[in-house]
Amino acid sequence: DAGVTQSPTHLIKTRGQQVTLRCSPISGHKSVSWYQQVLGQGPQFIFQYYEKEERGRGNFPDRFSARQFPNYSSELNVNALLLGDSALYLCASSLTGGEVQPQHFGDGTRLSIL
Amino acid sequence: GQQVMQIPQYQHVQEGEDFTTYCNSSTTLSNIQWYKQRPGGHPVFLIQLVKSGEVKKQKRLTFQFGEAKKNSSLHITATQTTDVGTYFCVSGGSNYKLTFGKGTLLTVNP
Repeated sequence: DAGVTQSPTHLIKTRGQQVTLRCSPISGHKSVSWYQQVLGQGPQFIFQYYEKEERGRGNFPDRFSARQFPNYSSELNVNALLLGDSALYLCASSLTGGEVQPQHFGDGTRLSIL
Repeated sequence: GQQVMQIPQYQHVQEGEDFTTYCNSSTTLSNIQWYKQRPGGHPVFLIQLVKSGEVKKQKRLTFQFGEAKKNSSLHITATQTTDVGTYFCVSGGSNYKLTFGKGTLLTVNP
């Protein structure tokens, strides 16, 4: 069975641009979460979506937005990119949106802002 | 989830030595999950602990949840080079937010 897939794997953008990252969860998983991981730190929670509804949001500015589609895939959008947005963006899926669900992570999208 | 502090930040051991990482919170945790991230890889779920005083074992790995549910630990017996990576404890909250600790980077000298 395929795991969580993310695209693209790498991306280079310049300040002020906008970016869209994509994630396909494990088949049967209905919840998708997004995390930002900067080098040397643990992943930071951005969003969780379950059944197309936003279930949780971390401490990120409104420049960050996401959505979940009927097939449970998800997109993360970041507007007006800043140098500090350079990071590994991880998507994780779980069966439901419950708080004790194990998270299955994809390989991530490495975003570099010039 | 609530903030969690992990110690140590780094640990270097000789292959065959034991390793322990600790996770602490100032408030009661509803649950704890542990993840391992290999260099260049993504976090991989290891275990979740929910009950006070819970102890779970996976081969050479032993996970504990404190009686007061404010601390947790991961102990690896007789480390191997395949144990190299960063180990994260993660607290889960009622708002579906998972909070990762900063992790403990384990390196193993063969």
